[in-house]
Amino acid sequence: DSGVTQTPKHLITATGQRVTLRCSPRSGDLSVYWYQQSLDQGLQFLIQYYNGEERAKGNILERFSAQQFPDLHSELNLSSLELGDSALYFCASSPTGGDEAFFGQGTRLTVV
Amino acid sequence: QKEVEQDPGPLSVPEGAIVSLNCTYSNSAFQYFMWYRQYSRKGPELLMYTYSSGNKEDGRFTAQVDKSSKYISLFIRDSQPSDSATYLCAMDTGNQFYFGTGTSLTVIP
Repeated sequence: DSGVTQTPKHLITATGQRVTLRCSPRSGDLSVYWYQQSLDQGLQFLIQYYNGEERAKGNILERFSAQQFPDLHSELNLSSLELGDSALYFCASSPTGGDEAFFGQGTRLTVV
Repeated sequence: QKEVEQDPGPLSVPEGAIVSLNCTYSNSAFQYFMWYRQYSRKGPELLMYTYSSGNKEDGRFTAQVDKSSKYISLFIRDSQPSDSATYLCAMDTGNQFYFGTGTSLTVIP
């Protein structure tokens, strides 16, 4: 158990809908990362937060947004969902953002 | 050119073999180097973490970093069927992680 908790584990929704994925980092970790992993694809970096502030942005679509709250948990919002958004979404956390990151077990999103 | 290059494999070896997994990179700013193991549809699990050139050993795993050649390796000794997974290298500038695409490994009993 990495100590990073993601909910829900599975999500099935229809095209055009909006969903929110939640991540609780390891205790004491200030940095949170979001990644997308499509079937047989590598990890695609979406966005990083550090202590509530956006630190780095990757290939995140405009339909996607995220935030990190004062208690350090983070949410990834996906809107106007398309079939191609079906993927595993991982959250990772690290103490400061410049050291090793620990991953949650992911949320499997299926858009039908 | 990708920041991190990793041969996707697949790699298939007999039980007990020594496995060598490699990544190359182009960004001299990378300071930290990691190897993750990912079982199918599970979250990546951190195996090794290092920030300097040289070798780091942990049980059957040895991570090797050669900053002059921009090359990192993970060696698995006495490989076991339970080592069958995808192995991802990752590198960090201190601000952002960059992952390789992963190498799929199968250890045959």
